[in-house]
Amino acid sequence: AQRVTQPEKLLSVFKGAPVELKCNYSYSGSPELFWYVQYSRQRLQLLLRHISRESIKGFTADLNKGETSFHLKKPFAQEEDSAMYYCALRGLNQAGTALIFGKGTTLSVSS
Amino acid sequence: KAGVTQTPRYLIKTRGQQVTLSCSPISGHRSVSWYQQTPGQGLQFLFEYFSETQRNKGNFPGRFSGRQFSNSRSEMNVSTLELGDSALYLCASSLGDQRVYGYTFGSGTRLTVV
Repeated sequence: AQRVTQPEKLLSVFKGAPVELKCNYSYSGSPELFWYVQYSRQRLQLLLRHISRESIKGFTADLNKGETSFHLKKPFAQEEDSAMYYCALRGLNQAGTALIFGKGTTLSVSS
Repeated sequence: KAGVTQTPRYLIKTRGQQVTLSCSPISGHRSVSWYQQTPGQGLQFLFEYFSETQRNKGNFPGRFSGRQFSNSRSEMNVSTLELGDSALYLCASSLGDQRVYGYTFGSGTRLTVV
């Protein structure tokens, strides 16, 4: 079964502290993974995707197929990083483009 | 360029009624997907259309249906509304078969069923 698990509902850190938002997935094929972010009163927006191996707003995520994880990391959190973060999976061998989302993690960064 | 536009932004309906939501994708995007977002279930995939054809469907009852027009605009219909259909309905567009691209979401339509 295809599944995305984000074990933490809420992650609270202080400004300047490192951040790691966990994401584990279950998928039998080759996964395509994304992180989406939703800031307060804004639309859901793509943060990064594993296939491009990019760094956006200081965030990075590495796909670990052995551990079936795609954790989101940032070395120094900023207050403007406070938002809801969703990990999402899409299978590369699917005809469709369904994204399977995790339940999301609220990141709260305080000073 | 204009983003994904969803109308209306808010809607209040009574149980048993039906509702139609609209989504205009980014110009050039041929794929439109619909998602339901609720506090309890999170984001759940409803269906996806590409070039006017339903290409994929999530695990929702037949009361939920959709269609896509030749200009890629899509509508979603929910018939015989239930209280549990209250949710934020999100539309996302993408370039379609380009599997390396992410999806651009609209702001959603907040549906309240009373």
